[in-house]
Amino acid sequence: DTEVTQTPKHLVMGMTNKKSLKCEQHMGHRAMYWYKQKAKKPPELMFVYSYEKLSINESVPSRFSPECPNSSLLNLHLHALQPEDSALYLCASSPTRTGGPEAFFGQGTRLTVV
Amino acid sequence: SQKIEQNSEALNIQEGKTATLTCNYTNYSPAYLQWYRQDPGRGPVFLLLIRENEKEKRKERLKVTFDTTLKQSLFHITASQPADSATYLCALDLRTGANNLFFGTGTRLTVIP
Repeated sequence: DTEVTQTPKHLVMGMTNKKSLKCEQHMGHRAMYWYKQKAKKPPELMFVYSYEKLSINESVPSRFSPECPNSSLLNLHLHALQPEDSALYLCASSPTRTGGPEAFFGQGTRLTVV
Repeated sequence: SQKIEQNSEALNIQEGKTATLTCNYTNYSPAYLQWYRQDPGRGPVFLLLIRENEKEKRKERLKVTFDTTLKQSLFHITASQPADSATYLCALDLRTGANNLFFGTGTRLTVIP
C-alpha cells in the first residue's frame, strides 16, 4: 500500500463549527505533514510530526490543532475558522529524513469556510 | 529568511522540445533538493531527488542538475508531450535535524501539440 488517504475529500463548514480532517498511511512512514494550499500557490508547510511527536509548527493559528494518535494516523482539528482559511489541505508522509526524504501526498481535502 | 524561487510562473513550449525549469534558493545549504509534479486539484507527486554531492540525476525523460555554488537546480523534460502539462515544484529541507519540506513558487508548464 503506497497511498496516503485523506478524508473527507470536500468539506464545507461554518465559522462556528468544529470539524476534523483525517489522514492515514500504512507505509510505515514515521514523518507526517500537514500543508495548506491556496489557488495558484505552492503548498505551505503547517505542521510536521516525527515519530508521533510534533516537531514543527510553522506559526499556525491555534484554530488549527493537529493530532497524531499513532504512527499511521494524522488528524487536523478545525475550530472557529475564517473564510480566508478556505483552501486545499494536504497531508503527506515520508520514511524519515535519513531513511528517505521524498514525501507521498494524499489527494487533499478541499475546505470551504462560509 | 529562506527563499525558494522558480523563475517562471508559467512556461509554454511546443511538443517535442525540451522544457527547462529553474529553482533558486537563498540563505541555506540543503542536503538535497526534490522535484514534484502537481496536477490541478491533486496532491504533488514525487519525481526526482538530487543530493548535494550529486551534479546530475536522470529518470527516463527527466534530468535534474544541482549547483550548490550557484544555489540553483535545473529540471529538464526532454521530448516533451502534452501529458507533461502540469505545475512543477521544487522542494528543499530548510532546517537540519528535522523532517521538513518547503516548496518553491512553482512553474505551470503547458506543452502545446
